[in-house]
Amino acid sequence: NAGVTQTPKFQVLKTGQSMTLQCAQDMNHEYMSWYRQDPGMGLRLIHYSVGAGITDQGEVPNGYNVSRSTTEDFPLRLLSAAPSQTSVYFCASSYSYRGGESTIYFGEGSWLTVV
Amino acid sequence: DAKTTQPPSMDCAEGRAANLPCNHSTISGNEYVYWYRQIHSQGPQYIIHGLKNNETNEMASLIITEDRKSSTLILPHATLRDTAVYYCIVRLLLGGNNRKLIWGLGTSLAVNP
Repeated sequence: NAGVTQTPKFQVLKTGQSMTLQCAQDMNHEYMSWYRQDPGMGLRLIHYSVGAGITDQGEVPNGYNVSRSTTEDFPLRLLSAAPSQTSVYFCASSYSYRGGESTIYFGEGSWLTVV
Repeated sequence: DAKTTQPPSMDCAEGRAANLPCNHSTISGNEYVYWYRQIHSQGPQYIIHGLKNNETNEMASLIITEDRKSSTLILPHATLRDTAVYYCIVRLLLGGNNRKLIWGLGTSLAVNP
């Protein structure tokens, strides 16, 4: 049972480069999201999706794009990396609204450094 | 949007109970209280959740006050492996299936030998 899988685990980028963080879940969850976590700060929501073909912005969406072509996959794209995007990124998934509650499952994180 | 307030850090002796408080005074009637923990460099891990009744599972107990404005997570016999940041969050529900969770800074729990 893989759960939520993120790749790569570590990545170093040069300023201006683009890259995609991959996220896949095998639990048939409708809801998927991306967070970033910086030292001394909590998790901040970047983008989220409530189902295939549907995405929406979170708290800090600038500089990131997402798409949701399948239920399983929710990639996060950095179009032109900036040093301010150096962070740890977490992907998460859950069932959507079902009876008022749903547990969120997180991936193990992707460490991104932009130099 | 309901938000939570937690002490930034706490200490606990190994083998003793750890009681982690959380204030959520603006919680709405249909919002759940969730607790997660994050061990260094790992993804957050679900612990427990509740609406208004006390809850217990194999990891912890959750005590929610009658007015639901605060709660306490109890780790009955803390071990060194329980050293982590503990997040208390309130589940928001926006527009049906849309949902944005607000994460604070959590409580950094240090379990000491």
